Amino acid sequence: AQSVAQPEDQVNVAEGNPLTVKCTYSVSGNPYLFWYVQYPNRGLQFLLKYITGDNLVKGSYGFEAEFNKSQTSFHLKKPSALVSDSALYFCAVREPGGSYIPTFGRGTSLIVHP
Amino acid sequence: GAGVSQTPSNKVTEKGKYVELRCDPISGHTALYWYRQSLGQGPEFLIYFQGTGAADDSGLPNDRFFAVRPEGSVSTLKIQRTERGDSAVYLCASSFETEQFFGPGTRLTVL
Repeated sequence: AQSVAQPEDQVNVAEGNPLTVKCTYSVSGNPYLFWYVQYPNRGLQFLLKYITGDNLVKGSYGFEAEFNKSQTSFHLKKPSALVSDSALYFCAVREPGGSYIPTFGRGTSLIVHP
Repeated sequence: GAGVSQTPSNKVTEKGKYVELRCDPISGHTALYWYRQSLGQGPEFLIYFQGTGAADDSGLPNDRFFAVRPEGSVSTLKIQRTERGDSAVYLCASSFETEQFFGPGTRLTVL
């Protein structure tokens, strides 16, 4: 069975500082990994994905994530946070070739302080 | 281009009533998913369509929940005899390849 954990309910960071939102996963075989962002009263918006290839994946709005197979992690990062990055962030995992249904984490609330 | 749309955006109903929630996916997306999201939680899978057929409905909590996608495009999630515990945001997503595109959701409140 596939699962994903986001160990932090909330991450606080000052504007201009680097940010990291953590995600670990469990899956049989090589995972498909995703990050989504959700703004208040909106649906989830795709940020980036890892399918295969380079472990460092770049996505929308300056976000990137690093796939680490040995640590089964896919942490989301950004070198310099903006107040407008404040939102809910969801990590998701899917097994390739099996069910096409991803499993989502509980979400991490990112708060960027001016 | 047009994204995934969901109607209504808000639905308030009374316990025991029947409700229908509609999802209009991105044109050409063959896969369509329904999720339920409660406060402080991630999306919880309900049902997945590939074309017109339900490829996986294992997430439907009980037989009060049913969904259709008769022409392989628009989908309707139907909830019979609503209960207060059904109150949540119902999200629809469609996809063509790997990532999903979500609609804004329908907030269902059962009084």
